[in-house]
Amino acid sequence: EPEVTQTPSHQVTQMGQEVILRCVPISNHLYFYWYRQILGQKVEFLVSFYNNEISEKSEIFDDQFSVERPDGSNFTLKIRSTKLEDSAMYFCASIWGLDQDTQYFGPGTRLTVL
Amino acid sequence: AQRVTQPEKLLSVFKGAPVELKCNYSYSGSPELFWYVQYSRQRLQLLLRHISRESIKGFTADLNKGETSFHLKKPFAQEEDSAMYYCALTGYGNKLVFGAGTILRVKS
Repeated sequence: EPEVTQTPSHQVTQMGQEVILRCVPISNHLYFYWYRQILGQKVEFLVSFYNNEISEKSEIFDDQFSVERPDGSNFTLKIRSTKLEDSAMYFCASIWGLDQDTQYFGPGTRLTVL
Repeated sequence: AQRVTQPEKLLSVFKGAPVELKCNYSYSGSPELFWYVQYSRQRLQLLLRHISRESIKGFTADLNKGETSFHLKKPFAQEEDSAMYYCALTGYGNKLVFGAGTILRVKS
């Protein structure tokens, strides 16, 4: 069964550094999502992406964040200048179409900002 | 505002006992409701959704629009059911709004 993959599984960075988290959605899916989960808190929506543009973003997704689909397979989340409070688990998800309600999640990337 | 409330952080039951994980929601339209499960060291995966009315691994959930609830139930808990369970809803655009999650521990 096809799966969403994410790399790296764990990223450690210094405050102020840029990080790029990578996701490979399921190949025929068209809608892509990033969520994050700060330790001990709930999973929160960050951004959705369709047809090479952002469909919706949360208030968390400020100017420090950006997403890109640089080729036909990868979907990336960039944090330009990381802050301590960006430390969290970041999940990518994808879905074929809006009528198919099941979002398939990747295993997550644990980001630690020191 | 869209909100999902799971009042229990931890639910501990003995093997063979009934399980009910509570979920209440707040949404102005007609949401789709889901239960996701995360087993130890594994990814989030869909357990069931209200629209399909399926029973997965013995779990069922009924959407009660009057009480705005979507509680997850299983008549006889098994040790392999131990996991984190998240209730979630989607509205327009399919973004998921999650509850805080409930850890289910099934003791032998």
